[in-house]
Amino acid sequence: DTAVSQTPKYLVTQMGNDKSIKCEQNLGHDTMYWYKQDSKKFLKIMFSYNNKELIINETVPNRFSPKSPDKAHLNLHINSLELGDSAVYFCASSRYGQPQHFGDGTRLSIL
Amino acid sequence: DQQVKQNSPSLSVQEGRISILNCDYTNSMFDYFLWYKKYPAEGPTFLISISSIKDKNEDGRFTVFLNKSAKHLSLHIVPSQPGDSAVYFCAAREGTGANNLFFGTGTRLTVIP
Repeated sequence: DTAVSQTPKYLVTQMGNDKSIKCEQNLGHDTMYWYKQDSKKFLKIMFSYNNKELIINETVPNRFSPKSPDKAHLNLHINSLELGDSAVYFCASSRYGQPQHFGDGTRLSIL
Repeated sequence: DQQVKQNSPSLSVQEGRISILNCDYTNSMFDYFLWYKKYPAEGPTFLISISSIKDKNEDGRFTVFLNKSAKHLSLHIVPSQPGDSAVYFCAAREGTGANNLFFGTGTRLTVIP
């Protein structure tokens, strides 16, 4: 059984659209994360969410908004998509302070 | 500004030999370090970690060494196996309660049979 699952795996859309990526974990972890891996393979934290406390990375544009309906889910909504948003987005989860477990990523391509 | 750096984008090693992957960091507040392994089209998988109070941690064929004065850590894989071929990411965290991991850009290891 997949521990951290993301959907969709691939997302191709046009500039200006709004899209969402879903993430679910079945590990019972209390903390979830979103990372962005850009074209240079640099993996960078975007958000972490622990027990209803959202920690926002100040370098992330406010077009990106995470939403957590419960501890097992952390979705990522992106408004007004731009060409520079093309990347692979990884969801992860962990017990607070423990190593993170990653999903397989969502490859977002903006046309 | 990248706080964790892996200066070797790739490394090739013969099967059975030792693989040594290196990582440097600039933030002296980092106190916990991790190595992740990543196969194509999959997410990173946690491999091994080390706290800053130690200088070595071993788990089977994998050993991580930490040199705090040099702000350098390395991952040793002995003996290397073809299944070890993957991209290896070094990551660091500031404080035991911190969530955010800072990643290097990865080193692609190829183990030649």
